[in-house]
Amino acid sequence: DIVMTQSPDSLAVSLGERATINCKSSQSVLKSSSNKNCLAWYQQKPGQPPKLIYWASTRESGVPDRFSGSGSGTDFTLTISSLQAEDVAVYYCQQCHSTPFTFGQGTKLEIK
Amino acid sequence: EAQLVESGGGLIKPGGSLRLSCAASGFSFRDVWMTWVRQAPGKGLEWVGRIKRKTDGATTDYAAAVKGRFSISRDDSKNTLYVQMNSLKVEDTAVYYCTTGWTDAFEMWGQGTMVTVSS
Repeated sequence: DIVMTQSPDSLAVSLGERATINCKSSQSVLKSSSNKNCLAWYQQKPGQPPKLIYWASTRESGVPDRFSGSGSGTDFTLTISSLQAEDVAVYYCQQCHSTPFTFGQGTKLEIK
Repeated sequence: EAQLVESGGGLIKPGGSLRLSCAASGFSFRDVWMTWVRQAPGKGLEWVGRIKRKTDGATTDYAAAVKGRFSISRDDSKNTLYVQMNSLKVEDTAVYYCTTGWTDAFEMWGQGTMVTVSS
């Protein structure tokens, strides 16, 4: 199984500052069939289901452009360029390269 | 509007069985692969298993933690996904979400249904 490891486990950032969340996979998640890194980022707010915000380096429709994703192979990063209050949530990365489609343990993002 | 609605959760004793349903609407259910993801209280997300669409053989894959105890199926005529959960354990306590997408990621999620396994 591919193990997904996020860092840090929690993060406190001031409003308007940059937040960076890292995700490392135990093996490459590059899918040869599509030549895309099958790596997704989800945002989950309390009491809500997860929401897909980034997949294969593509921001989902409606997601603010302060969110950006980068990385390839085994190392990925989700960056929020200017933290807003509504960005407080737990963020998960997930690989969709091979089953079981494992998630990272989550990173809790809070306001400092 | 496309949506997924889970049902069937509840309180069940260890060793018991439960079947969850996920009703889909607003999109072509038969054309998508469907997945169950669960989340234990206060914990992270755990992929449970998936079922491919019929044209891809409707084959299933499961997480090791549930393999042999859970069975995922679908009824395209009813636009409904199921998971039959047998030999339930305390550690199966979680909110169970059904989810799907038109890419390899999960673009649509239900609100979840809570399963509590306790004596």
